[in-house]
Amino acid sequence: QVQLVQSGAEVKKPGASVKVSCKASGYTFTAYAIHWVRQAPGQSLEWMGWINPGNVNTKYSQKFQGRVTITTDTSATTAYMELVSLRSEDTAVYYCARYYGSGFDPWGQGTLVTVSA
Amino acid sequence: AIQMTQSPSSLSASVGDRVTITCRASQGILNYLGWYQQKPGKAPELLISAASGLQSGVPSRFSGSGSGTDFTLTISSLQPEDFATYYCLQDYNYPWTFGQGTKVEIK
Repeated sequence: QVQLVQSGAEVKKPGASVKVSCKASGYTFTAYAIHWVRQAPGQSLEWMGWINPGNVNTKYSQKFQGRVTITTDTSATTAYMELVSLRSEDTAVYYCARYYGSGFDPWGQGTLVTVSA
Repeated sequence: AIQMTQSPSSLSASVGDRVTITCRASQGILNYLGWYQQKPGKAPELLISAASGLQSGVPSRFSGSGSGTDFTLTISSLQPEDFATYYCLQDYNYPWTFGQGTKVEIK
């Protein structure tokens, strides 16, 4: 079945960087965009950006421009999201999701990133 | 950025009730609107895409409507497994933006 499996929880200090992985299976990896969305504790969802694994084109939210990089390894059918210069406000669950048809389906299980001194 | 305003932010309802959640966009987004359900500690799941397209496997008690700036998610007969938080998402214009969520609780 189609699934996205993300890497485990991370604890980082302010100023550090984090790289979260998203392993895809059950479909042709290069055929669908992968998006990244985050959710701070008790808050709504926030779109960060996406990558087209077929041509590695990317689009980022201006809010994260310069701090986020989304990449893929097509041989490993894995997408990555790296966020640098972490601050406490970046503490959140980070999700990857496949854009299928006109919506995100499926989603990864989420990766908690905690930024704390 | 397009602002997505959901209402209400929370509601209490009983099993069997008809529930309606609205989402208003700050500018027209045609039908580029999806609805997602999220249960505590879980990733969101897609219910409706393109404003009214029911996803495969989603019960028919869920329906979506609207176009332009005003959209509605309706649950025709609330079931115990429907108690969750619901989000709308516009994918018309970057940055894509979510509503603030509507928490559906048991009365």
